[in-house]
Amino acid sequence: EDKVVQSPLSLVVHEGDTVTLNCSYEVTNFRSLLWYKQEKKAPTFLFMLTSSGIEKKSGRLSSILDKKELFSILNITATQTGDSAVYLCAVRYNNNDMRFGAGTRLTVKP
Amino acid sequence: GAVVSQHPSWVICKSGTSVKIECRSLDFQATTMFWYRQFPKQSLMLMATSNEGSKATYEQGVEKDKFLINHASLTLSTLTVTSAHPEDSSFYICSARDQQSGDTQYFGPGTRLTVL
Repeated sequence: EDKVVQSPLSLVVHEGDTVTLNCSYEVTNFRSLLWYKQEKKAPTFLFMLTSSGIEKKSGRLSSILDKKELFSILNITATQTGDSAVYLCAVRYNNNDMRFGAGTRLTVKP
Repeated sequence: GAVVSQHPSWVICKSGTSVKIECRSLDFQATTMFWYRQFPKQSLMLMATSNEGSKATYEQGVEKDKFLINHASLTLSTLTVTSAHPEDSSFYICSARDQQSGDTQYFGPGTRLTVL
């Protein structure tokens, strides 16, 4: 069965902490892995990863994919209260299939 | 975990025809479901919020007469693209909110619509 599992489901940290969010997957014919940040309305696209070992970076956020171990991590350094959101991982596979994880709810306290 | 399904997973239709996409929450009741459209570069746009038993709330710029949403039961919402045109070709994704698990939103696998 194809699945995408995110962990932890929720996380509470204080400003300045560094967090690592995990996304593991089991799908057939993997194509790409996507990270989104959902605050209010639509999830905001963060990264798309297709190759193992190549880190994608945007400011304090970075992500990397391990296609051998079938997982990706999203790192956020020096967290701020504005980072509080649900972070979603989605995997594209086969020709047209897409599956989202349940998300990690991150709360950053002042 | 909670599962949301969409049907069909892909559809090809002729310009001018209407297409219905179903979104079902399989093991929980969802009073609220959301419809998104995915654009190039992976961005998602919220089209509308579907509330069971009442009219959907459409986002600004989304034509409610073109994208008909019906949420007739606690487990089913439908999106009908009426008089589809090639520019409606996109990936449509729904999500359902599970109030029993802290309002977690579970996303469906999406439906690829291609209008010829």
